[in-house]
Amino acid sequence: QQQVKQSPQSLIVQKGGISIINCAYENTAFDYFPWYQQFPGKGPALLIAIRPDVSEKKEGRFTISFNKSAKQFSLHIMDSQPGDSATYFCAASGMDETSGSRLTFGEGTQLTVNP
Amino acid sequence: KAGVTQTPRYLIKTRGQQVTLSCSPISGHRSVSWYQQTPGQGLQFLFEYFSETQRNKGNFPGRFSGRQFSNSRSEMNVSTLELGDSALYLCASSLAGGEAFFGQGTRLTVV
Repeated sequence: QQQVKQSPQSLIVQKGGISIINCAYENTAFDYFPWYQQFPGKGPALLIAIRPDVSEKKEGRFTISFNKSAKQFSLHIMDSQPGDSATYFCAASGMDETSGSRLTFGEGTQLTVNP
Repeated sequence: KAGVTQTPRYLIKTRGQQVTLSCSPISGHRSVSWYQQTPGQGLQFLFEYFSETQRNKGNFPGRFSGRQFSNSRSEMNVSTLELGDSALYLCASSLAGGEAFFGQGTRLTVV
């Protein structure tokens, strides 16, 4: 199966709060899991990515948690700021010759951070 | 280092026409992928080119085609346009797989 399921569809948090977005996948051949941030009128920008050999990766205020047995991964945004208001997409891909660079995306989460 | 460049940024076409979109990847990147983004279907993979060869193809009709040149620049073509083809078309480049960087997209409107 190629699907990646993302939740919630929309999220409203207060400035300084923690934003949490979750994704689940089915294809066990996936071995690369990036998160993208997209502002209106712009293309998606790579935020942070993880491979299944680690359970957590942190870059600044952004952390990916990965649970291989549950086939789930999540994005945590600490100290959320109004400038973080955007649409966030999780994605997954395999690294075999057949998958190439093909990314399967989640449905997206519209994050609003209130001041 | 220049990013991924897509041209044109906006296009308005009439049903039945065809359209060609262009993508210049990041220098040194050999893989170019195309995606269609719509409010209803989200981001969907169209196809990927690597070293001038189509390496992967999504579930789109044959009206959608692409190619890649020896300098890694890529074009995608949509023939016999339908209203449902209105979307943001995104190009992503990567070295050979893995990290993919997107351009700003081409907004296609079919009227």
